[in-house]
Amino acid sequence: AQSVAQPEDQVNVAEGNPLTVKCTYSVSGNPYLFWYVQYPNRGLQFLLKYITGDNLVKGSYGFEAEFNKSQTSFHLKKPSALVSDSALYFCAGYGGATNKLIFGTGTLLAVQP
Amino acid sequence: DVKVTQSSRYLVKRTGEKVFLECVQDMDHENMFWYRQDPGLGLRLIYFSYDVKMKEKGDIPEGYSVSREKKERFSLILESASTNQTSMYLCASSPPRGTGNQPQHFGDGTRLSIL
Repeated sequence: AQSVAQPEDQVNVAEGNPLTVKCTYSVSGNPYLFWYVQYPNRGLQFLLKYITGDNLVKGSYGFEAEFNKSQTSFHLKKPSALVSDSALYFCAGYGGATNKLIFGTGTLLAVQP
Repeated sequence: DVKVTQSSRYLVKRTGEKVFLECVQDMDHENMFWYRQDPGLGLRLIYFSYDVKMKEKGDIPEGYSVSREKKERFSLILESASTNQTSMYLCASSPPRGTGNQPQHFGDGTRLSIL
């Protein structure tokens, strides 16, 4: 079965510290992976994607993600967290040849001032 | 910028009512999707459509139906609302995967309460 997993329900980090939100995947064929952010009472906003090419992908708001094929991971990172980064983050991937995105269950990022 | 607009941000209905949630996108996308989001369960796909008048069941279609009469509009219908359908409903759209595996774009959601 194809899946995307986010092993942490919540990540706490102090403002100014680096942050990592973890994601692992199990999909058939080449993986096409995405990160989204959701602020309270809003929809999901696209942050970045990995399709092919460089393993380090840069996205919006200073976020980046590292694709690691051997570890089947696609962790979201930011060198210096801001309080305004506090939100719910979703990892997602295309599985097989369908148009359906498979979502992780989400990780709540809390950045303390 | 892609704009996906959901007709209501908040909606309160009673059990047994027929409920319509509307979604419109302005990017001429072929694919449209309806999800529900519940704490601890992430996003679950209810139905999706890859063309006008076409629809496919997602993971949790029971109790729901959809309509896509025009390319830009995708409606979710709760045939007879029940309290377990209280949730956040999210609409999304995207081009076909063959155009480069583009991301889905989401509306702001409709928070639906069934009393």
